[in-house]
Amino acid sequence: SQKIEQNSEALNIQEGKTATLTCNYTNYSPAYLQWYRQDPGRGPVFLLLIRENEKEKRKERLKVTFDTTLKQSLFHITASQPADSATYLCALGARRGGKLIFGQGTELSVKP
Amino acid sequence: DAGVTQSPTHLIKTRGQHVTLRCSPISGHKSVSWYQQVLGQGPQFIFQYYEKEERGRGNFPDRFSARQFPNYSSELNVNALLLGDSALYLCASSSRGENTGELFFGEGSRLTVL
Repeated sequence: SQKIEQNSEALNIQEGKTATLTCNYTNYSPAYLQWYRQDPGRGPVFLLLIRENEKEKRKERLKVTFDTTLKQSLFHITASQPADSATYLCALGARRGGKLIFGQGTELSVKP
Repeated sequence: DAGVTQSPTHLIKTRGQHVTLRCSPISGHKSVSWYQQVLGQGPQFIFQYYEKEERGRGNFPDRFSARQFPNYSSELNVNALLLGDSALYLCASSSRGENTGELFFGEGSRLTVL
């Protein structure tokens, strides 16, 4: 069955450092991969989308890579700030349909 | 512009009862999806509706049903509630029926089943 795994343990980093979150998947060939941010008790908020034919995408301090051979996406936050502390979710989508398959999320804590 | 709105925000039910959750998408969005998020897990897909037709259904029992109205708002119904149905129920809207763009999530309805 389809499986998505994100860093199971919380990630603690110092302010100003680069945070790197991992999303691995098996038994699936997604056409799209999305990253969302979720704060406690709130709904997820969209951050970035990358397509299967794209290797890398950037938006301000965020960078996403997508390696369909390794079946892995890396999500980077450069110059991290305490305000970046949240849970980050990766989600996979097929070419057709609107269903997203989410990972369990990685909790990021940025200390001042 | 208003985002995705969901009601109620919190509710408590007992086993065997029925619940109806409501969602209003962003104006102009014709696709509504429902997700269940259990504490500590990622959202799990329940249904997608686009232009009032069911476009997808996740691996949930028939106790779960949904519909979309002519104004594109949506309801999620859950019958014969079980303790395991306790979760955050998220509604998301998008302008398209496909995964080519972002989903806009509401803040969710927190359901507790006692």
